[in-house]
Amino acid sequence: GENVEQHPSTLSVQEGDSAVIKCTYSDSASNYFPWYKQELGKGPQLIIDIRSNVGEKKDQRIAVTLNKTAKHFSLHITETQPEDSAVYFCAALYFGNEKLTFGTGTRLTIIP
Amino acid sequence: DSGVTQTPKHLITATGQRVTLRCSPRSGDLSVYWYQQSLDQGLQFLIQYYNGEERAKGNILERFSAQQFPDLHSELNLSSLELGDSALYFCASSLGLADLQETQYFGPGTRLLVL
Repeated sequence: GENVEQHPSTLSVQEGDSAVIKCTYSDSASNYFPWYKQELGKGPQLIIDIRSNVGEKKDQRIAVTLNKTAKHFSLHITETQPEDSAVYFCAALYFGNEKLTFGTGTRLTIIP
Repeated sequence: DSGVTQTPKHLITATGQRVTLRCSPRSGDLSVYWYQQSLDQGLQFLIQYYNGEERAKGNILERFSAQQFPDLHSELNLSSLELGDSALYFCASSLGLADLQETQYFGPGTRLLVL
């Protein structure tokens, strides 16, 4: 089955700096890669996703890049703000199998 | 707000007991997914229903079962509860179109504590 590794497990960034979280997946058939943000006491909230026919996608301060050859995908947050502090999860899914496999999460702390 | 609702928000019970968690998907979504989130296992997929039928199964214990009703709400039944079942249980929903990798929207979760 699919296995998703996520690094780092914790990340502290000065407000205004950029944060990068990286994930690798094992199943080359995976073709959909969402990122979720989970705030304390809440459910995961989708913040951005990318499909395997695209190498990069951007939405304001958030971007995701995908390297299918290396089976890597990364989340980039620029101009970080205190409200970006949360746990971020990457996930992978492949066509025909709707089970999302999640990474182990990254606790991002933005230092004011 | 994702549009997915879950009840109850918190549940405290004893070992050996049985509980039922309820989920209402977003309006128009036909697929419902259940996930378990614990500190040591992260977010684990349990089971998926589509329009009343089981579609996919993950790491769901035999003591756990689920169903989706004609109005598309779903229930997750946990029986013979053990201390290790203490976790957050999330429901997610999506449209259920078979040939697309669809976004799954998560509810706020039910926090289960087994004492």
